[in-house]
Amino acid sequence: DSGVTQTPKHLITATGQRVTLRCSPRSGDLSVYWYQQSLDQGLQFLIQYYNGEERAKGNILERFSAQQFPDLHSELNLSSLELGDSALYFCASSANRGGDLYGYTFGSGTRLTVV
Amino acid sequence: QQQVKQSPQSLIVQKGGISIINCAYENTAFDYFPWYQQFPGKGPALLIAIRPDVSEKKEGRFTISFNKSAKQFSLHIMDSQPGDSATYFCAASLPGGANNLFFGTGTRLTVIP
Repeated sequence: DSGVTQTPKHLITATGQRVTLRCSPRSGDLSVYWYQQSLDQGLQFLIQYYNGEERAKGNILERFSAQQFPDLHSELNLSSLELGDSALYFCASSANRGGDLYGYTFGSGTRLTVV
Repeated sequence: QQQVKQSPQSLIVQKGGISIINCAYENTAFDYFPWYQQFPGKGPALLIAIRPDVSEKKEGRFTISFNKSAKQFSLHIMDSQPGDSATYFCAASLPGGANNLFFGTGTRLTVIP
């Protein structure tokens, strides 16, 4: 167990729908990162939050949004879902704002299937 | 545009053999090159990493070779074991840490007994 908890593990939904993925970081970690993993693109950085505030943005679509709550858990919201959004979504956490790569821990991911 | 190119996509190696995975990059501003190991149903986990001021780093059976002039780096797994069967990702980081981490597309390694 890495200490980073992601729920749900699997999600199947229809095109056009909206889903919320949840991540609880490792105890003591203030930074949360979201990644999308698809077969042909590898791991793509989406967004980072540090202590409740957005810290960095990557290749995140406008249909996607995220937030980090006072208890430091984070949610990734995906709306107007398309077939191409089917992927594994990973959350990672670290203690530092800029990212201590040795303390950068991934959760087990949420597999999203859009049908 | 893939910032880090990884090959091969899949690799089958006999137990006891050497597994070699290669990565190449273009951006000379990258200053940190980690490798991640991912088992089915799990997230990637940091395996070993190197900075461009050294040409090789070894940790147990895992070695990174780094060629700065060629902008290439590779992972060598010596005496490969069935338990090494996993997907391996190379990555490269810009100064600033994890929010500037670019991953390769992964190599699925299968070690057969």
